[in-house]
Amino acid sequence: DVKVTQSSRYLVKRTGEKVFLECVQDMDHENMFWYRQDPGLGLRLIYFSYDVKMKEKGDIPEGYSVSREKKERFSLILESASTNQTSMYLCASNPLTASTDTQYFGPGTRLTVL
Amino acid sequence: GQSLEQPSEVTAVEGAIVQINCTYQTSGFYGLSWYQQHDGGAPTFLSYNALDGLEETGRFSSFLSRSDSYGYLLLQELQMKDSASYFCAVTSTSRDDKIIFGKGTRLHILP
Repeated sequence: DVKVTQSSRYLVKRTGEKVFLECVQDMDHENMFWYRQDPGLGLRLIYFSYDVKMKEKGDIPEGYSVSREKKERFSLILESASTNQTSMYLCASNPLTASTDTQYFGPGTRLTVL
Repeated sequence: GQSLEQPSEVTAVEGAIVQINCTYQTSGFYGLSWYQQHDGGAPTFLSYNALDGLEETGRFSSFLSRSDSYGYLLLQELQMKDSASYFCAVTSTSRDDKIIFGKGTRLHILP
């Protein structure tokens, strides 16, 4: 079974802190994605990566950056956390050969910024 | 622009059949997929339609009409465990093959 893990289920940070959210997948998938999920807004794509050291902006990249130094790991960075970044963050992956619709999600990290 | 429309909430009775509709507006359409998400859980993939017609997987079926830019998810013999949110999603070539999710339909099941 594909397994996507995220470093924390719950995280509380203060405004202005630098925040790292980590995602690891164990199936050698090329594609990895970061979404945020907010009530009434569904899932919105922040960044994605098709390969190591490669990254592309999604729909809402402002205030975020990412890092993909190893194929299995995709990190989301909030350089200076703000209260409007309080959200559920979901990581996903899929192999290059699959339809991009078939994504495997991690359990999510619920981030609260005070 | 790109958009997906699905009802925000649907209520049905245990043992019944329910249909969740999804209409989309996008260019360079690849296919329509459906995901299920229980409260506190991660979205899990249910089905994918690239061609017109009905795809059946157990109690769940998914339908696509490319000419109408429309699809639906059909859940039969509803069980209480089917209470969840259901998201439709499309992949569009005009968005570099990135997937776009709808805002989700919350399915409430009454005993």
